[in-house]
Amino acid sequence: QLQLQESGPGLVKPSETLTLTCPVSGGSISSGTYYWGWVRQPPGKGLEWIGSVYYTGSAYYNPSLKSRVTMSVDTSKNQFSLKLSSVSVADTAVYHCASSIAVTGTGGYWGQGTLVTVSS
Amino acid sequence: DIQMTQSPSTLSASVGDRVTITCRASDSISVWLAWYQQKPGKAPKLLISKASTLESGVPSRFSGSGSGTEFTLTISSLQPDDFATYFCQQYNGYSWTFGQGTKVEIK
Repeated sequence: QLQLQESGPGLVKPSETLTLTCPVSGGSISSGTYYWGWVRQPPGKGLEWIGSVYYTGSAYYNPSLKSRVTMSVDTSKNQFSLKLSSVSVADTAVYHCASSIAVTGTGGYWGQGTLVTVSS
Repeated sequence: DIQMTQSPSTLSASVGDRVTITCRASDSISVWLAWYQQKPGKAPKLLISKASTLESGVPSRFSGSGSGTEFTLTISSLQPDDFATYFCQQYNGYSWTFGQGTKVEIK
């Protein structure tokens, strides 16, 4: 059973870069079984996929955020990261890290989420 | 991009009730549909993958059905622990889209 837990600052200033990390325990991020993704939920709104990254470093982003998002993997630390640049108030949300669901049905592991507030 | 429309957004029910939540995809997603349960402050919990495959340890009162564009999550007899928010997710590996969520409340 994998465990994921988001880590990063809870407050970011407008125009700065939001950086979050997700250490994975209980298994290897390099297993190749899953994509590793970020999902966010603004207050009172639905879930939005931000993007996903494979252990090789190949990344796929939501077109609506693509110009501001960078995701990476650190296999030595068994973790993956999110950088979202030029943030605004609209980026205030609970950010979750998660694994994909494999064809076999395993996966779908999520962190509990971390609230990031964008405010000066 | 595939859009997911989930209904209802809120559902009031009593213990023992049969509950049904629906998710519609804007285009066919075959059976690549998952259902999650989420409680406040907790990580979402995967209940069903591949539209109808119950995850290990999930009570059998939960079931999923559908394929293509229409999907359903059914709770056959609502239990006190089931009052939570449920959401659907279409997945094709690295790209995910979510329904808006359904909050199941005590009537």
